[in-house]
Amino acid sequence: QQPVQSPQAVILREGEDAVINCSSSKALYSVHWYRQKHGEAPVFLMILLKGGEQKGHDKISASFNEKKQQSSLYLTASQLSYSGTYFCGTEGGSNYKLTFGKGTLLTVNP
Amino acid sequence: DGGITQSPKYLFRKEGQNVTLSCEQNLNHDAMYWYRQDPGQGLRLIYYSQIVNDFQKGDIAEGYSVSREKKESFPLTVTSAQKNPTAFYLCASSIFHELNTEAFFGQGTRLTVV
Repeated sequence: QQPVQSPQAVILREGEDAVINCSSSKALYSVHWYRQKHGEAPVFLMILLKGGEQKGHDKISASFNEKKQQSSLYLTASQLSYSGTYFCGTEGGSNYKLTFGKGTLLTVNP
Repeated sequence: DGGITQSPKYLFRKEGQNVTLSCEQNLNHDAMYWYRQDPGQGLRLIYYSQIVNDFQKGDIAEGYSVSREKKESFPLTVTSAQKNPTAFYLCASSIFHELNTEAFFGQGTRLTVV
């Protein structure tokens, strides 16, 4: 079952902040975040692990609430290059099944 | 350079024909995945494989088949039973024994069935 992302789309001016949310109906072991430019492959941004360890991008941060089965991606002082579709992916345990949400389209304008 | 390669980039087929999409990786990854991407639907999991000669159905496996005879290869066959095969298909791979590592994606194959 796909995790649910919100909002579906967001438009920013350069320098503004944004938050993208991801929630799951199942218990999570880890949450992945990826960004995809139009017509290209998704690119890894960050992983958040159960227990708190975080890996990823130094200009973008994220949180992972295991009890609520939710994650949020924080984009601060957005740049034009941040434009794209952001996907969260979730893993529920030892079966390595990586399931993605429907994505959030982020547009950063000058 | 290590990476994951999908071919071809664009593929056209007539309705009723089976077609096989190639996915090769030289990253020495155990786990491989196939996703289908349609506008507004995100990435939907078709099949995934953790080790050679083993694979599991994802969320939308009907009308698709896969094989995993070699660690580096995970081809996807879109059969005539798939009712709406036109889509963008993405292959990915990751290290099996560590859950906390990212998936690497290929550049995708855009399949059009006419």
